[in-house]
Amino acid sequence: GAVVSQHPSWVICKSGTSVKIECRSLDFQATTMFWYRQFPKQSLMLMATSNEGSKATYEQGVEKDKFLINHASLTLSTLTVTSAHPEDSSFYICSATSRDSSLEQYFGPGTRLTVT
Amino acid sequence: GQNIDQPTEMTATEGAIVQINCTYQTSGFNGLFWYQQHAGEAPTFLSYNVLDGLEEKGRFSSFLSRSKGYSYLLLKELQMKDSASYLCAVRDPNSGGYQKVTFGTGTKLQVIP
Repeated sequence: GAVVSQHPSWVICKSGTSVKIECRSLDFQATTMFWYRQFPKQSLMLMATSNEGSKATYEQGVEKDKFLINHASLTLSTLTVTSAHPEDSSFYICSATSRDSSLEQYFGPGTRLTVT
Repeated sequence: GQNIDQPTEMTATEGAIVQINCTYQTSGFNGLFWYQQHAGEAPTFLSYNVLDGLEEKGRFSSFLSRSKGYSYLLLKELQMKDSASYLCAVRDPNSGGYQKVTFGTGTKLQVIP
């Protein structure tokens, strides 16, 4: 089946620093990748959608200058949290749809970010 | 806008059957997903319904009524490992080429012995 990986699986950083999270589709070409954020005991909130080779589309209320998304290839998308604050601490999950089938989103295992 | 409602929590007994309901009000509709999510992990796909009716897959079944904006996930022969959150999600064709999916808040199911 389609596999999506994320790296790192967890990260701790200090306030004011930036952290990059990678999302890779391992065995398929991901035409579209989605970035979600999930706070404890809450559901997934879509942050942005990215298509390979084009700028990401951000959801309302998500600061594009703070959450930088790059979808440089059909197998890699990155999310960079810039000038991180403690309130950015969350579970970040990416998902991808394949060129062959846009029906299902394949989710990565998630990245736990803690900002101290 | 999008509005997807699910019960917050449910408790059921091992070996029993449980039905998790989901109602939705969305600007467009192009399918409904059910995902299972264990604590601290990413969601895993369970089912997809785009036409009315019941889809059965092993111990799990999912039902959809588009006219009522209603779906349910039925879990049979409950096992302790089924304790997880179950997320209902609706795909909106009006979201552009990328087929945006909106998630409900999820139902936390606890299976007890």
